Amino acid sequence: NAGVTQTPKFQVLKTGQSMTLQCAQDMNHEYMSWYRQDPGMGLRLIHYSVGAGITDQGEVPNGYNVSRSTTEDFPLRLLSAAPSQTSVYFCASSYSGQGGYTEAFFGQGTRLTVV
Amino acid sequence: AQSVTQLDSHVSVSEGTPVLLRCNYSSSYSPSLFWYVQHPNKGLQLLLKYTSAATLVKGINGFEAEFKKSETSFHLTKPSAHMSDAAEYFCVVSDPSGAAGNKLTFGGGTRVLVKP
Repeated sequence: NAGVTQTPKFQVLKTGQSMTLQCAQDMNHEYMSWYRQDPGMGLRLIHYSVGAGITDQGEVPNGYNVSRSTTEDFPLRLLSAAPSQTSVYFCASSYSGQGGYTEAFFGQGTRLTVV
Repeated sequence: AQSVTQLDSHVSVSEGTPVLLRCNYSSSYSPSLFWYVQHPNKGLQLLLKYTSAATLVKGINGFEAEFKKSETSFHLTKPSAHMSDAAEYFCVVSDPSGAAGNKLTFGGGTRVLVKP
């Protein structure tokens, strides 16, 4: 019953460094997405994928890359970290059932600080 | 385009009294609506969801919400607050047809404080 697993839980980066946030789900969900959470703004969509090999941009994609080579994994890459990317990042997955997609299942989050 | 407005950023209640968290939405489709709860330093947990069946939706931990299409509202209530209800709550809307994948639009959140 792992659900959605994110690693690492915490990370501190220096400005200009790159890194990859990992996300894996074991529920065979076709839809996966990344959000960032900032105070007072709820969660905002960064990138999403409707299946292996298919990705698209969300509301705030700049500075981030994604790929989806398997159904299970959806890593988020920060190309050159900036202090504005200090945030809590959540990965989520869902599947399509009768009437459309189900609710999203969220990972526990990655708290990223860029100094 | 869809949007969500949570009308209160903070709500303070006494233990044992009712809780009301207000949410208004706008959507071009017949939306699916959700309430999620986030306890400090934790992930998001689904409280309840509306997906065009009954307009009064019951969730976990005694919470319920009523979908009112004419008012474009989906307010969350609980008859009697418990100390463990102190958390942040998010109202969320999605397009159930999948025309935009499963893009969720979040409200800004309501932080609930429960006083003993």
